[in-house]
Amino acid sequence: EAQVTQNPRYLITVTGKKLTVTCSQNMNHEYMSWYRQDPGLGLRQIYYSMNVEVTDKGDVPEGYKVSRKEKRNFPLILESPSPNQTSLYFCASSFSLSYEQYFGPGTRLTVT
Amino acid sequence: AQSVTQPDIHITVSEGASLELRCNYSYGATPYLFWYVQSPGQGLQLLLKYFSGDTLVQGIKGFEAEFKRSQSSFNLRKPSVHWSDAAEYFCAVGLNRDDKIIFGKGTRLHILP
Repeated sequence: EAQVTQNPRYLITVTGKKLTVTCSQNMNHEYMSWYRQDPGLGLRQIYYSMNVEVTDKGDVPEGYKVSRKEKRNFPLILESPSPNQTSLYFCASSFSLSYEQYFGPGTRLTVT
Repeated sequence: AQSVTQPDIHITVSEGASLELRCNYSYGATPYLFWYVQSPGQGLQLLLKYFSGDTLVQGIKGFEAEFKRSQSSFNLRKPSVHWSDAAEYFCAVGLNRDDKIIFGKGTRLHILP
């Protein structure tokens, strides 16, 4: 089954404790993206990747890191999380950046 | 700057009534156009897309959308809504193959029994 998986689905952590949210896709897509969703703000792109070892900033990259060492995986790293990063995070993959996106189920992160 | 506008933050319709959700974009050329749906607690699912050709496109779950170049709009319609259609709907625009996709802020649809 074609899918994008994210782990964990729910995470509660404390300010400053490094965390990683994993994302994996099995569709051989070149493009992968991370979004955050906040009430009233819609989806905002954090980072995207056009291929292995190629990443670029989206609209709200501050406080986040990503890596793309394998085509299927695109982890999101928060080196020092802060409460303003409390949000719902989605990973997505696609054949091209402006093509239809396939979304993961989301990760709800709470930083206290 | 390119933008996508969904003018209605919330819409409430009665079950069985028709539905139209509005989407306008700001871009010089014809973009790729999408509608996604997000049910409560779920990720986003593609409802339909328009790249070129027939300006009326059919999607899943009985939805359709019409591209109107003169109005820079891509409105989503359904003739008769069901309670299960209660969700948040996002319009999205892709500007060209290697540019990024821009999402509107969403319209939350409420269904009255």
